[in-house]
Amino acid sequence: ETGVTQTPRHLVMGMTNKKSLKCEQHLGHNAMYWYKQSAKKPLELMFVYSLEERVENNSVPSRFSPECPNSSHLFLHLHTLQPEDSALYLCASSQGPGRADEQFFGPGTRLTVL
Amino acid sequence: AQSVAQPEDQVNVAEGNPLTVKCTYSVSGNPYLFWYVQYPNRGLQFLLKYITGDNLVKGSYGFEAEFNKSQTSFHLKKPSALVSDSALYFCAVRLMEYGNKLVFGAGTILRVKS
Repeated sequence: ETGVTQTPRHLVMGMTNKKSLKCEQHLGHNAMYWYKQSAKKPLELMFVYSLEERVENNSVPSRFSPECPNSSHLFLHLHTLQPEDSALYLCASSQGPGRADEQFFGPGTRLTVL
Repeated sequence: AQSVAQPEDQVNVAEGNPLTVKCTYSVSGNPYLFWYVQYPNRGLQFLLKYITGDNLVKGSYGFEAEFNKSQTSFHLKKPSALVSDSALYFCAVRLMEYGNKLVFGAGTILRVKS
């Protein structure tokens, strides 16, 4: 195990639902990330938090709303999603957002939007 | 465009034979390079990284990678493949010019047959 947990592991939701993905890291890291992994596409960085402050938002639609209440927890709030948002959502953490810091990934949440 | 490329969608190798998974990058400045592996239904696991120094980097599970600046490559290698090495492998590059963003290749499926 990498020390990064994600819940739920699987989620099926309708386009009008509101749900949240949760990530928790037990590594004492200061930076956390959300990625989207779609079939046949490179991993896409969505959001970066450093010391609980959002430092990057990669032109992600507003139907995705991140929240980082403390350095150990990261949420991704979902509302009015589209079927093309179905993907594996990965959370990661690193010691800091520095160039040399490797990231530790959670197992992901498999999201299906009907 | 600055990017990282994995030219092979899939690599097949017999157990016990050496394996190579290719990665090339196209960036300005000095790249920080990473390899990650993803097993089915799991998140990405860090294997190794090149920051500076010795061009041959050793990582987890017997993997190593060679940084070649003239060929702008960072190929992943292992002297003797195991069936358990079968997985999806990602090369990634990180640049300060991108705000330390980690840019991933599309991934290469490695299949090791007994």
